[in-house]
Amino acid sequence: DVKVTQSSRYLVKRTGEKVFLECVQDMDHENMFWYRQDPGLGLRLIYFSYDVKMKEKGDIPEGYSVSREKKERFSLILESASTNQTSMYLCASRSRPSSYEQYFGPGTRLTVT
Amino acid sequence: AQSVTQLDSQVPVFEEAPVELRCNYSSSVSVYLFWYVQYPNQGLQLLLKYLSGSTLVKGINGFEAEFNKSQTSFHLRKPSVHISDTAEYFCAVSDGGYGGSQGNLIFGKGTKLSVKP
Repeated sequence: DVKVTQSSRYLVKRTGEKVFLECVQDMDHENMFWYRQDPGLGLRLIYFSYDVKMKEKGDIPEGYSVSREKKERFSLILESASTNQTSMYLCASRSRPSSYEQYFGPGTRLTVT
Repeated sequence: AQSVTQLDSQVPVFEEAPVELRCNYSSSVSVYLFWYVQYPNQGLQLLLKYLSGSTLVKGINGFEAEFNKSQTSFHLRKPSVHISDTAEYFCAVSDGGYGGSQGNLIFGKGTKLSVKP
């Protein structure tokens, strides 16, 4: 079974802090994704990565950056957290583009106070 | 640009009743369609997918969906729901390409299914 893990289930940070959200997949997948999920808005893509050291902006990249130094790990960085970044963050992976199906981690619920 | 519309944000239903969650998509190219389920405080889990072949797709937990190209719909159904089906359900579409952002999933806004005893 594919396993996608996220470093924290719940996280509370203060405004202005630098925040790191970590995601690890154990199936040698090429592609990884970060989404945020807000009530009534569904899932919105923040960034994705097709391969190590490669990244592309999604629909809402402002205020975020990412890092993928190893194939299995994809990090989401909030350089200076703000209250409007309070949300559920979901990581996903996909074996390769032509497989389409994505596998999701359990999510990190981030609260910025 | 592709889009996915889930026509109901909330669907309340009694246990053992049938349910249909509606999903429409807009696309001018071939599409691949998915339904995911999210139980409270969990990530998304794939229920079923349509890539090609039979338009009636069967998934886990007794769910099925029918791809209707002429109506651009992919509605999810279950003939008899259980309390444990209470969750949020997401419809998603991919255009099937794999250059740049092609092939990525576009999600609907979700439908909350509430099964009452």
